Amino acid sequence: QSALTQPRSVSGSPGQSVTISCTGTRSDVGRYNYVSWYQQHPGKAPKLMIYDVSKRPSGVPDRFSGSKSGNTASLTISGLQAEDEAAYYCCSFAGSYTYVFGPGTKVTVL
Amino acid sequence: QVQLVQSGAEVKKPGDSVKVSCKASGYTFTSYAIQWVRQAPGQGPEWMGWINADTGNTKYSQKFQGRVSITRDTSASTTYMELSSLRAEDTAVYYCARSNSGFDYWGQGTLVTVSS
Repeated sequence: QSALTQPRSVSGSPGQSVTISCTGTRSDVGRYNYVSWYQQHPGKAPKLMIYDVSKRPSGVPDRFSGSKSGNTASLTISGLQAEDEAAYYCCSFAGSYTYVFGPGTKVTVL
Repeated sequence: QVQLVQSGAEVKKPGDSVKVSCKASGYTFTSYAIQWVRQAPGQGPEWMGWINADTGNTKYSQKFQGRVSITRDTSASTTYMELSSLRAEDTAVYYCARSNSGFDYWGQGTLVTVSS
């Protein structure tokens, strides 16, 4: 499987919104509604933020939202806060019980 | 509360094998699959494979096929990931994660360093 594509970095001021894209193919992101997003702070394990494209686990703030169009999924952080500064990774089911991750996007809060 | 606790850091030589454990607690072990993901320094996560904790069925990434083996011990609620023929590029933090509409709980990670 080939890795998904994400921008290396995005930035925004507190209170602003940022959107991270995750581009795959019609064999993974485009075919299945099983895209998830993970937040990772330095030295910590990843944390699930979004699953099944747009669903939020209990405890994840509603300023985090997910969507998908064609082969590209997106994570939007609205009302950016200082603690949102982290790396974000997308992951997609790729068929035959396999998964593929993106390389990650560093979110900087200015 | 759900917890996944992994074994400690390992230092191995090229050609060696490493076996990392992941002990689950706080839920019914056989009700969820366990995924294994690794993350090389400064890189994104890389999916390695998973095991159905109930049946023991496994699926591996083509990249690791033939070098990785994921097993489980239901009596100990523990999953194991063994990677053989280690090389320097296998230096990474290895994570286990519970599979439930996303990988919802993660272990703390196990650093495996491969160096001569």
